[in-house]
Amino acid sequence: DAGVIQSPRHEVTEMGQEVTLRCKPISGHNSLFWYRQTMMRGLELLIYFNNNVPIDDSGMPEDRFSAKMPNASFSTLKIQPSEPRDSAVYFCASSLTPRDEQFFGPGTRLTVL
Amino acid sequence: KQEVTQIPAALSVPEGENLVLNCSFTDSAIYNLQWFRQDPGKGLTSLLLIQSSQREQTSGRLNASLDKSSGRSTLYIAASQPGDSATYLCAVQSTGYSTLTFGKGTMLLVSP
Repeated sequence: DAGVIQSPRHEVTEMGQEVTLRCKPISGHNSLFWYRQTMMRGLELLIYFNNNVPIDDSGMPEDRFSAKMPNASFSTLKIQPSEPRDSAVYFCASSLTPRDEQFFGPGTRLTVL
Repeated sequence: KQEVTQIPAALSVPEGENLVLNCSFTDSAIYNLQWFRQDPGKGLTSLLLIQSSQREQTSGRLNASLDKSSGRSTLYIAASQPGDSATYLCAVQSTGYSTLTFGKGTMLLVSP
């Protein structure tokens, strides 16, 4: 199994630009999580999906952030417009069910100038 | 709101030592607790998952214990090696929630 796949691995963009992060969960996993990691705040959940349906998006910072899961094998996290304070590492994780062990992807390091 | 604290924030030991990493959580109503390892610039690797009904889990040189009533977990690493150098994160899944609350981690350095 290839594990959770994220792309791109690194993204550098300018303030105001749209950024799209992509995630492919482990095949057969029904739950998908998006996390953000910063030095100041550590790892925080942004949103999670179960069976492609968003269940908890209380961690999404504001309306500039949106996430979709059009099918069981693909999810996107979009930031529009991006701001320097969005600079962080964004992780995607998946699990068989919401209660099971979570497996993380390698992350996308986002830098907004 | 669940809060997870890890002590110490950083730890440096010589190779071969046995060591203990600590994790505490404020709400004992948890479903499970998971220990992760994170290497610099990398993602998280799951090490051990302890269900709330369990007291400990073992994997190789790693042993994790859980005392739900006191809100504590420990990760014991036996005979540490330089390859164990990484940040270790503790995460709790609270009852009624499907999401993990993470501690800030313990940065471990094992010197040869």
